[in-house]
Amino acid sequence: QQQVKQSPQSLIVQKGGISIINCAYENTAFDYFPWYQQFPGKGPALLIAIRPDVSEKKEGRFTISFNKSAKQFSLHIMDSQPGDSATYFCAASIDNTDKLIFGTGTRLQVFP
Amino acid sequence: NAGVTQTPKFQVLKTGQSMTLQCAQDMNHEYMSWYRQDPGMGLRLIHYSVGAGITDQGEVPNGYNVSRSTTEDFPLRLLSAAPSQTSVYFCASSSSTGPYGYTFGSGTRLTVV
Repeated sequence: QQQVKQSPQSLIVQKGGISIINCAYENTAFDYFPWYQQFPGKGPALLIAIRPDVSEKKEGRFTISFNKSAKQFSLHIMDSQPGDSATYFCAASIDNTDKLIFGTGTRLQVFP
Repeated sequence: NAGVTQTPKFQVLKTGQSMTLQCAQDMNHEYMSWYRQDPGMGLRLIHYSVGAGITDQGEVPNGYNVSRSTTEDFPLRLLSAAPSQTSVYFCASSSSTGPYGYTFGSGTRLTVV
């Protein structure tokens, strides 16, 4: 049973556009929702994270939107750049250091 | 500060062989985890540990063994390698007191033939 569902599997965006990746979760005990960015040949790196007590968190061009009632959260990348081309993973855990369950990933390609 | 170090980076095994993937962190993190990454399946948790001497199973523990004798090291043992264990393996660590978020190693690419 997949606890964190991520879509789309791949995304192509033009430079300057907005990239949107969506995730849905099932376990209402989850209370920590990070996003990770992974470049080819590298390990994932923490990008931004949110807790369910806020509906939005912004760091630079990256924003997480969180909808607790719908059990959904999404990553928005504003003014997407070719350097943002990577695979993005959403994840969830019951606390910030408990078992971290990942989505299946979204491969983002940003074309100039 | 090296962070999370995984060795080896690449390994080819024959079916039935055993091996140990090494993971070490120098950040004094209490929490450590092993993941495997397969195309289209994301990162799946194999085993994790909340401190020295304490380990627990993740989503896909079968065929793997772990132990945590020190805070720094968290080796993953493949008992009898199978082609289904061909994957990229990542070790990660996190602090319980912050800054939060797992730090990942650069991975071990394992092929079982």
